[in-house]
Amino acid sequence: DAGITQSPRYKITETGRQVTLMCHQTWSHSYMFWYRQDLGHGLRLIYYSAAADITDKGEVPDGYVVSRSKTENFPLTLESATRSQTSVYFCASSEGGTKYNEQFFGPGTRLTVL
Amino acid sequence: GDSVTQMEGPVTLSEEAFLTINCTYTATGYPSLFWYVQYPGEGLQLLLKATKADDKGSNKGFEATYRKETTSFHLEKGSVQVSDSAVYFCALSDQGNAGKSTFGDGTTLTVKP
Repeated sequence: DAGITQSPRYKITETGRQVTLMCHQTWSHSYMFWYRQDLGHGLRLIYYSAAADITDKGEVPDGYVVSRSKTENFPLTLESATRSQTSVYFCASSEGGTKYNEQFFGPGTRLTVL
Repeated sequence: GDSVTQMEGPVTLSEEAFLTINCTYTATGYPSLFWYVQYPGEGLQLLLKATKADDKGSNKGFEATYRKETTSFHLEKGSVQVSDSAVYFCALSDQGNAGKSTFGDGTTLTVKP
């Protein structure tokens, strides 16, 4: 299917466990982003990537790791999950390279850390 | 740095009422401006955009005009429907900002029949 997909859609894990959230896009967009959405905080950028093998920190990167070996995939890993990382996570992509830069969002992953 | 300030919510309206959600921005360059909408349980999706001063973006009965002199991009709709209930985000994208966008905090709209 064309578009941007995230998996899993829902995840419950325990404190201290490693969790990986997957993101896949079919447009060959250069830019990809990870956000978390919490009540009262809007969207906060965790990490972003301008191309394969190029990643950079966003506003709230602590406790997260990303990689981008292929243009279409941008997984987000919580190396040792904490309760404060309970949130809804959104992946997005953008063609970039122009001033327009509208972003296309996935459906989100709701993560609960017990 | 860039910033977006939008009207705090929640906003509750009756069906067929007029909607305005205010959005103002600060940017160093000449940004593109966007309104995104998030329906319950879904990701954000682009509602409309404007790329230069005095442009009007429109979609699904919603409109917003890029006002450089007041650094604003207010969202309006003449007659809201229950199906418009959602969270609305104002955003900007500045060329040269590594493809990133700056988002407002979102405004929750509830439309009652």
